[in-house]
Amino acid sequence: SQKIEQNSEALNIQEGKTATLTCNYTNYSPAYLQWYRQDPGRGPVFLLLIRENEKEKRKERLKVTFDTTLKQSLFHITASQPADSATYLCALNSGGYQKVTFGTGTKLQVIP
Amino acid sequence: NAGVTQTPKFQVLKTGQSMTLQCAQDMNHNSMYWYRQDPGMGLRLIYYSASEGTTDKGEVPNGYNVSRLNKREFSLRLESAAPSQTSVYFCASSDQSPLAGDEQYFGPGTRLTVT
Repeated sequence: SQKIEQNSEALNIQEGKTATLTCNYTNYSPAYLQWYRQDPGRGPVFLLLIRENEKEKRKERLKVTFDTTLKQSLFHITASQPADSATYLCALNSGGYQKVTFGTGTKLQVIP
Repeated sequence: NAGVTQTPKFQVLKTGQSMTLQCAQDMNHNSMYWYRQDPGMGLRLIYYSASEGTTDKGEVPNGYNVSRLNKREFSLRLESAAPSQTSVYFCASSDQSPLAGDEQYFGPGTRLTVT
């Protein structure tokens, strides 16, 4: 069956360190993968998109990698700040379908 | 620009009651979506509308109906609410279809409890 897996346990890191979140998928051949941020009580906010033919994408302190062989995307936040504390969702297009499928998200807590 | 707006923010229904969740976007987007979010389940697509005048079922459409009233508005109706429909409902929009990879813009959500 198709699955998108993100660490269900919260990730706690010290301020200033690099946070790395993982998104693994099985039985998908995604054309692209997106990352969203969700704060408590709010809707998700888009952060980055990476396409299947791209290995890496950067935006300010954010970096996303996409390995279609490992079926994995890594999301990095460098020089993390307490304001980065949130839940991060990965989402992928199931190829040929008019929809995006979301993972369950990983909660990140940056400790001052 | 208000982006994506949803009403109401909170709602409590009794089993069997009906209600309509309203969604509007002011970004002139073609595609609109309704999701529900439950703990441990992630966001699941209920219905989507790729363009004005069209609607299609998503992953969990049972118990729901939708109407794409015009390009701006996309409503979700629960005809006979059940406790299993207790959830947070998000409306979203995007400029093009998911095939294009366009980001989705989400509303603030409606927290629905069915007793």
